[in-house]
Amino acid sequence: NAGVTQTPKFRILKIGQSMTLQCTQDMNHNYMYWYRQDPGMGLKLIYYSVGAGITDKGEVPNGYNVSRSTTEDFPLRLELAAPSQTSVYFCASSPVGTANEQFFGPGTRLTVL
Amino acid sequence: AQSVTQLGSHVSVSEGALVLLRCNYSSSVPPYLFWYVQYPNQGLQLLLKYTTGATLVKGINGFEAEFKKSETSFHLTKPSAHMSDAAEYFCAVSDGGFQKLVFGTGTRLLVSP
Repeated sequence: NAGVTQTPKFRILKIGQSMTLQCTQDMNHNYMYWYRQDPGMGLKLIYYSVGAGITDKGEVPNGYNVSRSTTEDFPLRLELAAPSQTSVYFCASSPVGTANEQFFGPGTRLTVL
Repeated sequence: AQSVTQLGSHVSVSEGALVLLRCNYSSSVPPYLFWYVQYPNQGLQLLLKYTTGATLVKGINGFEAEFKKSETSFHLTKPSAHMSDAAEYFCAVSDGGFQKLVFGTGTRLLVSP
């Protein structure tokens, strides 16, 4: 199993550009999450999904959109990139249940200039 | 709302010394508590978790943590640090359903020879 994979690993965007961060998991997990990690701030939840077709906002959703058309994929869309979106983005997945582990991808480092 | 406080953004120890990383939580309901580790340029991986039952939890790589309800703490310890333990450590508390987590700001562990 590859686990959780994310592409790209690195990306530089200009202000106002858009892009999609890809996330795929091969563990058949229903739950998936997007976080951003900023220095000294820990991880903040952007969006999460509990199954195909079902998504909901996390703590910091502004400036982002998500979709979940399949169990495996959970892309994160940035519209009109801003310098404040410079961050490292992590996708994670988890099986249904109580207090189950979240499995993390390797991250995407995004810089907006 | 649930929250986590990690005291000390950086902790330095010598190889072979005791490791103690502090975590205090705030939760309106009985919490599930987690410690995750992040090695450089990688995603997070689970070290250990507390759900119910025994308050002393053992994890991977010789780490353990004790849930103390009266102190609202879940400190992480390891009797003898190894150079390979150098990483960033995150404490997290469950936040409602769907395995959502609230993370602390992280503690970077530095291990010197």
